[in-house]
Amino acid sequence: NAGVTQTPKFRVLKTGQSMTLLCAQDMNHEYMYWYRQDPGMGLRLIHYSVGEGTTAKGEVPDGYNVSRLKKQNFLLGLESAAPSQTSVYFCASRKGGFGSSYFGPGTRLTVT
Amino acid sequence: TQLLEQSPQFLSIQEGENLTVYCNSSSVFSSLQWYRQEPGEGPVLLVTVVTGGEVKKLKRLTFQFGDARKDSSLHITAAQPGDTGLYLCAGVTGTASKLTFGTGTRLQVTL
Repeated sequence: NAGVTQTPKFRVLKTGQSMTLLCAQDMNHEYMYWYRQDPGMGLRLIHYSVGEGTTAKGEVPDGYNVSRLKKQNFLLGLESAAPSQTSVYFCASRKGGFGSSYFGPGTRLTVT
Repeated sequence: TQLLEQSPQFLSIQEGENLTVYCNSSSVFSSLQWYRQEPGEGPVLLVTVVTGGEVKKLKRLTFQFGDARKDSSLHITAAQPGDTGLYLCAGVTGTASKLTFGTGTRLQVTL
């Protein structure tokens, strides 16, 4: 039981490049989330999904797209990376209701 | 945008001291959670408080949810070096149980 895993762990992009971050969970959770963490700002919600095939915008969705084709996977895409997207990205999953949110180890992205 | 403000931002204390971290908001949350995050890792849930006025204890940690469900506090008794880390509060809202995180309190406990 690996919990929540994220790939890659680190990535450096040049401005304008694209990439996809993969989040996988093996706990059969319905809800999945993508957050970004910046110094002094805590974690902010980018996009989330309440089930396979559904996605919704969070607090800071601009410049990102997501897909949830399979229940266990939640992909975060950057179509044209910008330096403002330099951050640590965390994926989380939750069974629902008052359940605990389980976080992955994070992906550190630098955009130059 | 709902905001959760934590204070203090940084806290450096010696082993054995007591401390309190505050989490305040102008918004009402259905529940509030406290997480601890170590460097290079994701946040790990410590506790969820649901009812206004609720108090929960986890060994040397005491968590309280305000009567109006807008604020919370975390009190650590006799801090130990193993308590060092980033403490985050998060308000839970909506049917999707979205989390709104506080700005975090970085705690360092030295011998």
